[in-house]
Amino acid sequence: EVQLVESGGGLVKPGGSLRLSCAASGFTFSSHSMTWVRQAPGKGLEWVSSISSRSTYIYYADSVRGRFTISRDNAKDSLFLQMNSLRAEDTAVYYCARKPCSGGSCYDDYWGQGTLVTVSS
Amino acid sequence: SYVLTQPPSVSVAPGKTARITCGGNNIGSKSVHWYQQTPGQAPVLVIHYDVDRPSGIPERFSGSKSGNTATLTISRVEAGDEADYYCQVWDSSSDHYVFGTGTKVTVL
Repeated sequence: EVQLVESGGGLVKPGGSLRLSCAASGFTFSSHSMTWVRQAPGKGLEWVSSISSRSTYIYYADSVRGRFTISRDNAKDSLFLQMNSLRAEDTAVYYCARKPCSGGSCYDDYWGQGTLVTVSS
Repeated sequence: SYVLTQPPSVSVAPGKTARITCGGNNIGSKSVHWYQQTPGQAPVLVIHYDVDRPSGIPERFSGSKSGNTATLTISRVEAGDEADYYCQVWDSSSDHYVFGTGTKVTVL
């Protein structure tokens, strides 16, 4: 059974940092692209960042580029999101998802339950 | 930046058909994926590559695309289909994934 478990969320002050983790199990982690998606309270889904299976390709939303860094450890079946210079508008539930790709297009087939990040003084 | 536009809400009576549209420039050249999200839960993939249904998703869910609009159709709507629905594409011109604005489906 595919499982994705996020951790690392919490309350942080504006300008602070946080590192999210996503532990994967039930599939060959090193063969799949992965992604982070967030959802602010009462708002829609917002794509944050994606990383290919061997970290060759990395993409960021404009809203987080230069502040967030996505990475992965295939030996430990883990995905990470280092978030720096956090702002109030980064407050959201952050989901990690598995991202199978075919023919140049990818979708998110399995999602974790999310971890809440609150940026507030 | 690329924008996917969905109607904010769709209301449908039980047993009837709900159609949720997703409009975007040149969407015909992109693969469209659809997600269902119930309150407090993570999204669930219901359609990928425009028309393909993942295993475990009822046949009542179907996808189509015509011109600049993709459509998610839910036939024989049930109370359990009440949720928010999002479309998604990959915009190769910006190397960004894009979610639609989301549609809340209410079962009357």
